[in-house]
Amino acid sequence: GNSVTQMEGPVTLSEEAFLTINCTYTATGYPSLFWYVQYPGEGLQLLLKATKADDKGSNKGFEATYRKETTSFHLEKGSVQVSDSAVYFCALSKLTDKLIFGTGTRLQVFP
Amino acid sequence: EAGVAQSPRYKIIEKRQSVAFWCNPISGHATLYWYQQILGQGPKLLIQFQNNGVVDDSQLPKDRFSAERLKGVDSTLKIQPAKLEDSAVYLCASSRQEAIYFGEGSWLTVV
Repeated sequence: GNSVTQMEGPVTLSEEAFLTINCTYTATGYPSLFWYVQYPGEGLQLLLKATKADDKGSNKGFEATYRKETTSFHLEKGSVQVSDSAVYFCALSKLTDKLIFGTGTRLQVFP
Repeated sequence: EAGVAQSPRYKIIEKRQSVAFWCNPISGHATLYWYQQILGQGPKLLIQFQNNGVVDDSQLPKDRFSAERLKGVDSTLKIQPAKLEDSAVYLCASSRQEAIYFGEGSWLTVV
């Protein structure tokens, strides 16, 4: 079946450090891939997405590239801020089908 | 554009009581989802509607959970009777053309 695996957290970084959160997936066919972010006490917000191989999604300084050869969609940011502290979820879907989420990775950024 | 609206935001009930959550999706979005997010886990799909028809309810515990989407717009998710393990955030989402948007969630605590 389709599934998403994320690196376990928490990821703890100092402000302005480089961020990578690993995500790999298992799916038949060609899913769309997403990163969602959840700030404390809030719902999920779409951060970025990619719909086909080699696409790069980007938003608010975050980037992720759809790598079909490694079935990965790692999230990166060159310089994190305290305000980036949140839980990040990798997810996949097929067309307009349901989203399948990873377990989430908590990011804590300290000044 | 208004987002996905959910109510109530917070609810505390005793086990064996009932509770209902309401969702109003983004205008024009035909697909509506209810997800359950248990603390420390990724969201899990409970039920997916296309207009007022059910597309997927395979993970809905039908002995205690029910959901409806009358007239293909608003939706209600009901739990009766509630168990301790139902304590979670219930997220409503709606979608059009692969982009899925979430509400802020309804936080349920069963004591």
